[in-house]
Amino acid sequence: KNQVEQSPQSLIILEGKNCTLQCNYTVSPFSNLRWYKQDTGRGPVSLTIMTFSENTKSNGRYTATLDADTKQSSLHITASQLSDSASYICVVSASRGGTASKLTFGTGTRLQVTL
Amino acid sequence: DAGVIQSPRHEVTEMGQEVTLRCKPISGHNSLFWYRQTMMRGLELLIYFNNNVPIDDSGMPEDRFSAKMPNASFSTLKIQPSEPRDSAVYFCASSFYVLGGLAIGEQFFGPGTRLTVL
Repeated sequence: KNQVEQSPQSLIILEGKNCTLQCNYTVSPFSNLRWYKQDTGRGPVSLTIMTFSENTKSNGRYTATLDADTKQSSLHITASQLSDSASYICVVSASRGGTASKLTFGTGTRLQVTL
Repeated sequence: DAGVIQSPRHEVTEMGQEVTLRCKPISGHNSLFWYRQTMMRGLELLIYFNNNVPIDDSGMPEDRFSAKMPNASFSTLKIQPSEPRDSAVYFCASSFYVLGGLAIGEQFFGPGTRLTVL
């Protein structure tokens, strides 16, 4: 069964500090992995998308890594800001030949950045 | 572009009533997704369409749920009859995707409809 597990479930950090969120998956055959940021009361917004051949991808202060061998991904946030407070969701796509991929969602990590 | 548009933003109804949620995808996108999000289960994909055709509805919880996409610019998700356990935020998302392509294009989410069934 395809699964995506995220850790920690929630995290509180001080403004300016760095943090790393984890995503472990058992999705096969792997197609791509995405990280989304979801602010309270809003829809998710894509941060990064990585395919099998990509090990790292950055989007401003957000850097995602992917280890397809161990089936792990991380999202590193540098110099956190209050606006980074949100839920971060890891989503993994399984390819299905000629049809569209099947998406498996993690339950998210809720990050709170405080003063 | 205004992005994905959903209506209503909030819906409160009584158990047994019919509920219809509406979505207008981003112009030019050919794939549309309906999601449900709850605290307990997180985001769940209910159904998605490609070129107005339902591709995978395995996430639709039961026969009370139905979705249509009569044209490229409009889709509905209907619940009839509604039950309290249907209370959730329902998101619509759209993207551009080519069947058989190597990867799905980025999905853009709407603001969601918060449904409360009393």
